Amino acid sequence: QKEVEQNSGPLSVPEGAIASLNCTYSDRGSQSFFWYRQYSGKSPELIMFIYSNGDKEDGRFTAQLNKASQYVSLLIRDSQPSDSATYLCAVNSGGGADGLTFGKGTHLIIQP
Amino acid sequence: EPEVTQTPSHQVTQMGQEVILRCVPISNHLYFYWYRQILGQKVEFLVSFYNNEISEKSEIFDDQFSVERPDGSNFTLKIRSTKLEDSAMYFCASSALTYEQYFGPGTRLTVT
Repeated sequence: QKEVEQNSGPLSVPEGAIASLNCTYSDRGSQSFFWYRQYSGKSPELIMFIYSNGDKEDGRFTAQLNKASQYVSLLIRDSQPSDSATYLCAVNSGGGADGLTFGKGTHLIIQP
Repeated sequence: EPEVTQTPSHQVTQMGQEVILRCVPISNHLYFYWYRQILGQKVEFLVSFYNNEISEKSEIFDDQFSVERPDGSNFTLKIRSTKLEDSAMYFCASSALTYEQYFGPGTRLTVT
């Protein structure tokens, strides 16, 4: 049974600070790792993906992957109130037809 | 920017009735997926579709579910005999060869 674990939160971060979101996964065969943002009542929106160990930066977002520890994280710099949402970690085995296994998500609140 | 579209946005049906949820994936994408999210729970993979056939399906995707690509643009999910527990948001997603999955806005299915 593939599992993806996230702290459900809420995680409260002051505006302008760095928000750090974490995720662990159980399947060592996982190859592709994704972070989605989901506003209440809306669909998941892809914000970052990472396939190799290390860091990947895109604007205010940095994804970090450590396959040996089966750990993925997302850093959000200069947090804005509009970043308040649930962040979903998702993984799959890397094939195009593979379904994503999602965690339950971390609810992030950015305090103005 | 191209996006996945879904219709209807909300479907109400009686238990035992058949429903068809419709999706138009992003035009140059090759892989298509259905997911569901029961209220307050995590996003769950149902099925993936590639080259006009099912590639992978989860335990949830039993005989009451079917998928079809009836023409070059639409991708449908049929639930043959709906149950109360089928009430959920149903998301369609698509991906290109790079495998990042982009989600549509979802169809809220309410079974009464």
